[in-house]
Amino acid sequence: KQEVTQIPAALSVPEGENLVLNCSFTDSAIYNLQWFRQDPGKGLTSLLLIQSSQREQTSGRLNASLDKSSGRSTLYIAASQPGDSATYLCAVSYNNNDMRFGAGTRLTVKP
Amino acid sequence: DAGITQSPRHKVTETGTPVTLRCHQTENHRYMYWYRQDPGHGLRLIHYSYGVKDTDKGEVSDGYSVSRSKTEDFLLTLESATSSQTSVYFCAISPAGHAFLGELFFGEGSRLTVL
Repeated sequence: KQEVTQIPAALSVPEGENLVLNCSFTDSAIYNLQWFRQDPGKGLTSLLLIQSSQREQTSGRLNASLDKSSGRSTLYIAASQPGDSATYLCAVSYNNNDMRFGAGTRLTVKP
Repeated sequence: DAGITQSPRHKVTETGTPVTLRCHQTENHRYMYWYRQDPGHGLRLIHYSYGVKDTDKGEVSDGYSVSRSKTEDFLLTLESATSSQTSVYFCAISPAGHAFLGELFFGEGSRLTVL
Protein backbone atom coordinates (compact mmCIF):
# COMPACT_ATOMS: atom_id res chain seq x y z
CA LYS A 1 0.00 0.00 0.00
CA GLN A 2 1.30 3.45 -0.88
CA GLU A 3 1.56 5.40 2.36
CA VAL A 4 2.71 8.91 3.19
CA THR A 5 3.91 9.71 6.70
CA GLN A 6 4.66 13.03 8.33
CA ILE A 7 6.56 13.14 11.59
CA PRO A 8 6.24 14.90 13.98
CA ALA A 9 2.51 15.50 14.10
CA ALA A 10 3.11 18.81 15.87
CA LEU A 11 6.07 21.15 16.25
CA SER A 12 6.53 24.34 18.26
CA VAL A 13 9.48 26.69 17.65
CA PRO A 14 10.46 30.24 18.66
CA GLU A 15 10.23 32.98 16.08
CA GLY A 16 13.30 33.35 13.86
CA GLU A 17 14.31 29.71 13.96
CA ASN A 18 15.01 27.75 10.78
CA LEU A 19 13.07 24.51 10.71
CA VAL A 20 12.57 21.35 8.69
CA LEU A 21 9.35 19.40 8.18
CA ASN A 22 9.56 15.80 7.02
CA CYS A 23 7.53 13.68 4.63
CA SER A 24 8.27 10.03 3.88
CA PHE A 25 6.65 7.74 1.33
CA THR A 26 6.79 4.00 0.79
CA ASP A 27 6.86 3.75 -3.01
CA SER A 28 9.57 5.47 -5.03
CA ALA A 29 7.59 5.36 -8.30
CA ILE A 30 6.31 8.86 -7.84
CA TYR A 31 5.24 11.41 -10.44
CA ASN A 32 5.46 14.49 -8.24
CA LEU A 33 5.19 15.70 -4.66
CA GLN A 34 3.34 18.75 -3.36
CA TRP A 35 3.55 20.64 -0.12
CA PHE A 36 0.39 22.36 1.10
CA ARG A 37 -0.42 24.78 3.89
CA GLN A 38 -3.72 24.62 5.77
CA ASP A 39 -4.90 27.31 8.16
CA PRO A 40 -7.53 26.40 10.80
CA GLY A 41 -10.98 26.07 9.27
CA LYS A 42 -9.65 26.64 5.76
CA GLY A 43 -8.84 24.65 2.66
CA LEU A 44 -5.38 23.65 1.49
CA THR A 45 -3.11 26.03 -0.38
CA SER A 46 -0.39 24.62 -2.63
CA LEU A 47 3.06 25.91 -1.67
CA LEU A 48 5.50 23.96 -3.82
CA LEU A 49 5.30 21.23 -6.44
CA ILE A 50 8.36 19.08 -7.17
CA GLN A 51 8.39 16.87 -10.25
CA SER A 52 10.03 13.47 -9.92
CA SER A 53 12.95 14.62 -12.10
CA GLN A 54 13.70 17.55 -9.78
CA ARG A 55 15.69 17.60 -6.54
CA GLU A 56 14.28 20.78 -5.05
CA GLN A 57 12.02 23.80 -5.46
CA THR A 58 12.22 27.18 -3.77
CA SER A 59 9.69 29.91 -3.10
CA GLY A 60 10.73 32.79 -0.90
CA ARG A 61 11.69 31.44 2.53
CA LEU A 62 10.51 27.94 1.61
CA ASN A 63 12.65 25.22 0.08
CA ALA A 64 11.41 21.73 -0.62
CA SER A 65 13.72 18.84 -1.47
CA LEU A 66 13.00 15.42 -2.88
CA ASP A 67 15.01 12.21 -2.55
CA LYS A 68 13.13 9.43 -4.33
CA SER A 69 15.65 6.73 -3.54
CA SER A 70 15.22 7.19 0.20
CA GLY A 71 11.50 7.98 -0.04
CA ARG A 72 11.81 11.37 1.63
CA SER A 73 10.98 15.00 1.12
CA THR A 74 11.73 17.91 3.42
CA LEU A 75 10.24 21.38 3.62
CA TYR A 76 12.72 23.90 4.96
CA ILE A 77 11.35 27.16 6.36
CA ALA A 78 13.91 29.87 6.96
CA ALA A 79 13.60 32.56 9.62
CA SER A 80 10.20 31.37 10.81
CA GLN A 81 7.50 33.92 11.68
CA PRO A 82 4.27 33.64 13.72
CA GLY A 83 2.37 33.94 10.44
CA ASP A 84 3.90 30.61 9.38
CA SER A 85 1.82 28.87 12.04
CA ALA A 86 -0.40 26.39 10.22
CA THR A 87 -0.63 22.71 9.33
CA TYR A 88 1.67 21.60 6.52
CA LEU A 89 0.71 18.58 4.44
CA CYS A 90 2.56 16.73 1.75
CA ALA A 91 0.89 14.81 -1.05
CA VAL A 92 2.56 12.26 -3.29
CA SER A 93 1.32 11.53 -6.81
CA TYR A 94 2.21 8.12 -8.11
CA ASN A 95 2.69 6.87 -11.66
CA ASN A 96 -0.48 4.76 -11.34
CA ASN A 97 -2.62 7.93 -11.16
CA ASP A 98 -2.99 7.63 -7.39
CA MET A 99 -2.40 10.53 -5.03
CA ARG A 100 -1.85 10.13 -1.28
CA PHE A 101 -1.77 12.74 1.45
CA GLY A 102 0.10 12.73 4.71
CA ALA A 103 -1.77 13.61 7.90
CA GLY A 104 0.21 16.83 8.28
CA THR A 105 2.50 18.55 10.78
CA ARG A 106 0.91 21.30 12.89
CA LEU A 107 3.48 24.08 13.23
CA THR A 108 3.33 26.77 15.91
CA VAL A 109 5.81 29.65 15.76
CA LYS A 110 5.91 31.51 19.08
CA PRO A 111 6.61 35.27 19.11
CA ASP B 1 -8.49 32.69 -5.47
CA ALA B 2 -9.25 29.48 -7.38
CA GLY B 3 -12.95 30.31 -7.74
CA ILE B 4 -14.26 27.32 -5.75
CA THR B 5 -17.33 27.66 -3.54
CA GLN B 6 -18.61 24.93 -1.27
CA SER B 7 -22.07 24.87 0.31
CA PRO B 8 -23.17 24.49 2.96
CA ARG B 9 -20.08 25.33 4.98
CA HIS B 10 -21.51 23.75 8.12
CA LYS B 11 -24.27 21.21 8.55
CA VAL B 12 -25.60 19.14 11.43
CA THR B 13 -27.90 16.29 10.56
CA GLU B 14 -29.26 13.09 12.03
CA THR B 15 -28.37 9.51 11.23
CA GLY B 16 -30.34 8.16 8.30
CA THR B 17 -31.08 11.49 6.61
CA PRO B 18 -29.86 12.32 3.09
CA VAL B 19 -27.29 15.09 2.69
CA THR B 20 -26.02 16.83 -0.43
CA LEU B 21 -22.91 18.97 -0.54
CA ARG B 22 -22.30 21.27 -3.47
CA CYS B 23 -19.07 22.39 -5.08
CA HIS B 24 -19.18 25.21 -7.61
CA GLN B 25 -16.26 26.40 -9.72
CA THR B 26 -16.01 29.48 -11.91
CA GLU B 27 -13.06 28.29 -14.03
CA ASN B 28 -14.57 25.55 -16.25
CA HIS B 29 -11.96 22.90 -15.37
CA ARG B 30 -12.69 19.29 -16.30
CA TYR B 31 -11.32 17.59 -13.23
CA MET B 32 -13.06 18.01 -9.87
CA TYR B 33 -12.57 16.03 -6.66
CA TRP B 34 -14.25 15.33 -3.34
CA TYR B 35 -12.03 14.51 -0.35
CA ARG B 36 -12.74 13.96 3.30
CA GLN B 37 -10.35 14.97 6.06
CA ASP B 38 -10.29 13.21 9.41
CA PRO B 39 -7.81 13.57 12.28
CA GLY B 40 -4.79 11.32 11.77
CA HIS B 41 -5.81 10.29 8.25
CA GLY B 42 -4.91 13.19 6.04
CA LEU B 43 -7.15 13.66 3.03
CA ARG B 44 -8.77 10.68 1.36
CA LEU B 45 -10.36 10.72 -2.07
CA ILE B 46 -14.09 9.90 -2.19
CA HIS B 47 -15.00 10.44 -5.86
CA TYR B 48 -13.77 12.49 -8.73
CA SER B 49 -15.09 13.72 -12.08
CA TYR B 50 -13.31 14.20 -15.39
CA GLY B 51 -16.20 15.82 -17.23
CA VAL B 52 -19.96 16.21 -17.33
CA LYS B 53 -21.55 12.90 -16.36
CA ASP B 54 -18.07 11.29 -16.10
CA THR B 55 -17.20 10.22 -12.58
CA ASP B 56 -15.11 7.57 -10.86
CA LYS B 57 -14.63 6.17 -7.38
CA GLY B 58 -11.83 7.00 -5.01
CA GLU B 59 -10.36 5.28 -1.99
CA VAL B 60 -13.37 5.74 0.35
CA SER B 61 -16.42 5.82 -1.94
CA ASP B 62 -18.75 3.49 -0.01
CA GLY B 63 -21.86 5.35 1.20
CA TYR B 64 -21.34 8.26 -1.18
CA SER B 65 -22.59 9.12 -4.65
CA VAL B 66 -21.78 12.04 -6.92
CA SER B 67 -23.28 13.80 -9.89
CA ARG B 68 -22.03 16.32 -12.39
CA SER B 69 -24.68 17.63 -14.76
CA LYS B 70 -22.84 20.89 -15.49
CA THR B 71 -19.12 21.62 -15.78
CA GLU B 72 -19.24 24.08 -12.91
CA ASP B 73 -21.07 21.96 -10.32
CA PHE B 74 -20.04 18.73 -8.61
CA LEU B 75 -22.45 17.33 -6.03
CA LEU B 76 -21.64 14.85 -3.27
CA THR B 77 -24.58 12.95 -1.78
CA LEU B 78 -24.79 10.85 1.34
CA GLU B 79 -27.93 8.82 0.73
CA SER B 80 -28.35 7.87 4.39
CA ALA B 81 -25.87 9.63 6.64
CA THR B 82 -24.06 7.69 9.37
CA SER B 83 -21.97 8.92 12.31
CA SER B 84 -18.82 7.61 10.59
CA GLN B 85 -19.41 10.19 7.87
CA THR B 86 -18.91 13.04 10.32
CA SER B 87 -15.96 14.82 8.74
CA VAL B 88 -14.75 17.86 6.89
CA TYR B 89 -15.34 17.56 3.16
CA PHE B 90 -13.17 19.36 0.63
CA CYS B 91 -13.73 19.95 -3.04
CA ALA B 92 -10.73 20.46 -5.29
CA ILE B 93 -10.04 21.27 -8.92
CA SER B 94 -7.03 20.43 -11.05
CA PRO B 95 -6.31 22.87 -13.88
CA ALA B 96 -3.48 20.66 -15.23
CA GLY B 97 -5.76 17.71 -15.87
CA HIS B 98 -5.83 14.69 -13.60
CA ALA B 99 -4.76 15.58 -10.06
CA PHE B 100 -1.52 13.67 -10.19
CA LEU B 101 -0.19 15.92 -12.98
CA GLY B 102 -0.02 19.23 -11.19
CA GLU B 103 -1.31 21.59 -8.55
CA LEU B 104 -4.60 21.07 -6.79
CA PHE B 105 -6.76 23.98 -5.66
CA PHE B 106 -9.15 23.50 -2.77
CA GLY B 107 -12.39 24.98 -1.53
CA GLU B 108 -12.85 26.15 2.05
CA GLY B 109 -14.45 22.90 3.19
CA SER B 110 -17.85 21.74 4.46
CA ARG B 111 -18.00 20.55 8.05
CA LEU B 112 -20.63 17.83 8.46
CA THR B 113 -21.75 16.46 11.80
CA VAL B 114 -24.01 13.40 11.86
CA LEU B 115 -25.70 12.86 15.22
